[in-house]
Amino acid sequence: SQQGEEDPQALSIQEGENATMNCSYKTSINNLQWYRQNSGRGLVHLILIRSNEREKHSGRLRVTLDTSKKSSSLLITASRAADTASYFCATVQAGGGNKLTFGTGTQLKVEL
Amino acid sequence: DGGITQSPKYLFRKEGQNVTLSCEQNLNHDAMYWYRQDPGQGLRLIYYSQIVNDFQKGDIAEGYSVSREKKESFPLTVTSAQKNPTAFYLCASSSWTGLSTDTQYFGPGTRLTVL
Repeated sequence: SQQGEEDPQALSIQEGENATMNCSYKTSINNLQWYRQNSGRGLVHLILIRSNEREKHSGRLRVTLDTSKKSSSLLITASRAADTASYFCATVQAGGGNKLTFGTGTQLKVEL
Repeated sequence: DGGITQSPKYLFRKEGQNVTLSCEQNLNHDAMYWYRQDPGQGLRLIYYSQIVNDFQKGDIAEGYSVSREKKESFPLTVTSAQKNPTAFYLCASSSWTGLSTDTQYFGPGTRLTVL
């Protein structure tokens, strides 16, 4: 079964705009991670946020985590055409070792 | 070049045939993983291995088998018992520190089509 649901399923924006993607999950987690997948390729790890953290930044990426609502968001600021990809959240459940459970993904298209 | 390689990139097989997907890593990682991805979906875990000669079933292991005879290699066999094998298969590896924060690194994937 899949842990997370992501919203929206697809997002189309203009270059320079910000893109926000949301992820909801069902069970208690140890950490939540965001991955990026270019079409037909493998996944690339973007950022990890632990359950005791509320916000984390990496370059143009900002991730927030609200464990009371079991939700996370990924913000990409000043988007570029090269950001066009699918973005997945993945959770490591509390006591789940290093097993990742993935959400369904958001397809982001950044247009020139 | 350090990384994970998967071969072949595209694979076609006839119904009723077993097929083996290759995954090799030179990152010196202890843990390796196999995932399946269907169109428009996230990844689902098939099998994983934390150490040589040991592996565990994931969420959708039925119809699949693996081996881990070498640290660098974790081949996946899709057997004829797998009812719907057409999918994109991704291999990943990570260190295994016992913590939950070991980042997984993914290979480029193999797209399997059953004719």
